[in-house]
Amino acid sequence: QKEVEQDPGPLSVPEGAIVSLNCTYSNSAFQYFMWYRQYSRKGPELLMYTYSSGNKEDGRFTAQVDKSSKYISLFIRDSQPSDSATYLCAMTRGSQGNLIFGKGTKLSVKP
Amino acid sequence: GAVVSQHPSWVICKSGTSVKIECRSLDFQATTMFWYRQFPKQSLMLMATSNEGSKATYEQGVEKDKFLINHASLTLSTLTVTSAHPEDSSFYICSASKASEIEETQYFGPGTRLLVL
Repeated sequence: QKEVEQDPGPLSVPEGAIVSLNCTYSNSAFQYFMWYRQYSRKGPELLMYTYSSGNKEDGRFTAQVDKSSKYISLFIRDSQPSDSATYLCAMTRGSQGNLIFGKGTKLSVKP
Repeated sequence: GAVVSQHPSWVICKSGTSVKIECRSLDFQATTMFWYRQFPKQSLMLMATSNEGSKATYEQGVEKDKFLINHASLTLSTLTVTSAHPEDSSFYICSASKASEIEETQYFGPGTRLLVL
């Protein structure tokens, strides 16, 4: 079993829809969880960063971490065509740990 | 802000040549820089971690003699792909973590696409 599992999609939604992106993981030692957005042929851009369990909201984006289920989610409200990108989850054990990335989910928001 | 640049953005070279890629943190000092490789439709794979003034730590399976990393200052790290071959063609991305933040917050460069003919 891979340390981080993420459905690669593609996921296609109409503009204005709520998008739910998810990752599961197997290592209970992971404590820091991130979501990155990567446009085609560009480097990843940090979107959200969460420590341990709980929710974090930033504008149209909400990140959720459920450590008991080893499951993290990113919700995008009122999705826009400009949100079309690949979304990568990433996580690490702690300050000495390296980021472990999911494969990324390709999202397409249709106008 | 936290801006990381990479140069060049595209490289096309002949098999057997060496290629140097630069990674710079433009508006902050980076305690640690990371080098990743990303093949099409695959996730980012960490190649090595480097701290300023010390030797890089390579991930298992990454040849340190082939992928030379120099972290000369708090704002510059270079990756040299020596004697590049077609199988080295990939998207190379660096990231940097700020000296003032915990190491988990990495800021990524725009990537360098390498094509070895």
